[in-house]
Amino acid sequence: EAQVTQNPRYLITVTGKKLTVTCSQNMNHEYMSWYRQDPGLGLRQIYYSMNVEVTDKGDVPEGYKVSRKEKRNFPLILESPSPNQTSLYFCASRTTDYEQYFGPGTRLTVT
Amino acid sequence: TQLLEQSPQFLSIQEGENLTVYCNSSSVFSSLQWYRQEPGEGPVLLVTVVTGGEVKKLKRLTFQFGDARKDSSLHITAAQPGDTGLYLCAGEMRAGSYQLTFGKGTKLSVIP
Repeated sequence: EAQVTQNPRYLITVTGKKLTVTCSQNMNHEYMSWYRQDPGLGLRQIYYSMNVEVTDKGDVPEGYKVSRKEKRNFPLILESPSPNQTSLYFCASRTTDYEQYFGPGTRLTVT
Repeated sequence: TQLLEQSPQFLSIQEGENLTVYCNSSSVFSSLQWYRQEPGEGPVLLVTVVTGGEVKKLKRLTFQFGDARKDSSLHITAAQPGDTGLYLCAGEMRAGSYQLTFGKGTKLSVIP
């Protein structure tokens, strides 16, 4: 089954404790992206990647890092999480002809 | 400033009614997508439109891309409770850039 998986689905952590949210897709897509979704602000793109070792900033990249060492994986790293990074995070992968698939989401709470 | 404005924000209608949701911008987009999102899940792509004036149909859903590629609409005929959800539009300004801007969404409730 074609899918995008994210782990963990739920995470509660404390300010400053480094964390990684993993994202994996089994569709051999070149394009992958991370978004955050907040009430009243909608979905905003954090980082995207057009291929292995090629990443670029989206609209809200501050406080986040990503890496793309393999085609299937695109982890999101928060080196020093802060409460304003409490959000619902989505990973997505996309074909070259616009078909984008989202993962199930990771709900992160930073206290 | 929100690049993509969706209206209305909320819509509650009776089963069987028709409705239209709008996605407007002052910017030109190379492509525009519509998604539906249910609580606790990721958005699911419904359609992509790329040509000004393009109309696409998906069963009871009709999508239109404006001639100037600055706006789009989603029309649902004879709405059903299964249509309930958050409808999002998303635009890519530069073709192949993979930089997507999302509207804030229209939350639709269809009452049986």
